[in-house]
Amino acid sequence: LAKTTQPISMDSYEGQEVNITCSHNNIATNDYITWYQQFPSQGPRFIIQGYKTKVTNEVASLFIPADRKSSTLSLPRVSLSDTAVYYCLVGDEEKGSQGNLIFGKGTKLSVKP
Amino acid sequence: EAGVAQSPRYKIIEKRQSVAFWCNPISGHATLYWYQQILGQGPKLLIQFQNNGVVDDSQLPKDRFSAERLKGVDSTLKIQPAKLEDSAVYLCASSLWRAGENTEAFFGQGTRLTVV
Repeated sequence: LAKTTQPISMDSYEGQEVNITCSHNNIATNDYITWYQQFPSQGPRFIIQGYKTKVTNEVASLFIPADRKSSTLSLPRVSLSDTAVYYCLVGDEEKGSQGNLIFGKGTKLSVKP
Repeated sequence: EAGVAQSPRYKIIEKRQSVAFWCNPISGHATLYWYQQILGQGPKLLIQFQNNGVVDDSQLPKDRFSAERLKGVDSTLKIQPAKLEDSAVYLCASSLWRAGENTEAFFGQGTRLTVV
């Protein structure tokens, strides 16, 4: 099972672009990369998922280099409400639809006015 | 659509007592997960079901924790007897299952357990 490494915390200001990088050196061929967001007293919420290159949705972009050993979650123009913990997950589809949904310690993003 | 429902929202028990949590996943979701989240840590997977079968329970402390999903729909997680270190938020999540695809998981709000 691929292990992920993320920064423990990051600080930003409103309106800035935030990039959170996740390392997953042992990612397997079948593994997808998924990011979740968690606010205090709530369950995690799916943000974005990708396998390779770049994926963009209305919330974020996910950049995955060709070797897939890392990925970067990009949040454009953050606001105070983006203050949360962000988790990078890597798993394959063999064990159900999300694969093995294993969370690491996450990155605590603090957005300041 | 209705989200993942969990009850109760809060529970306070004394150590060595037993407790049960209930989860009703989103309709049609074959995969169901139970997580334990201790304050300041990421969610720890306890057990994963695919319909009514267990896919992964490698991190479930089986001497005191048990979970079932008898009809492949709702699920219960039980702790008997509880220890102080079981104080945590217990999260339930569900997702669709499509062969060869990854689909997003939806989480409930969790049950906050305090063992005193």
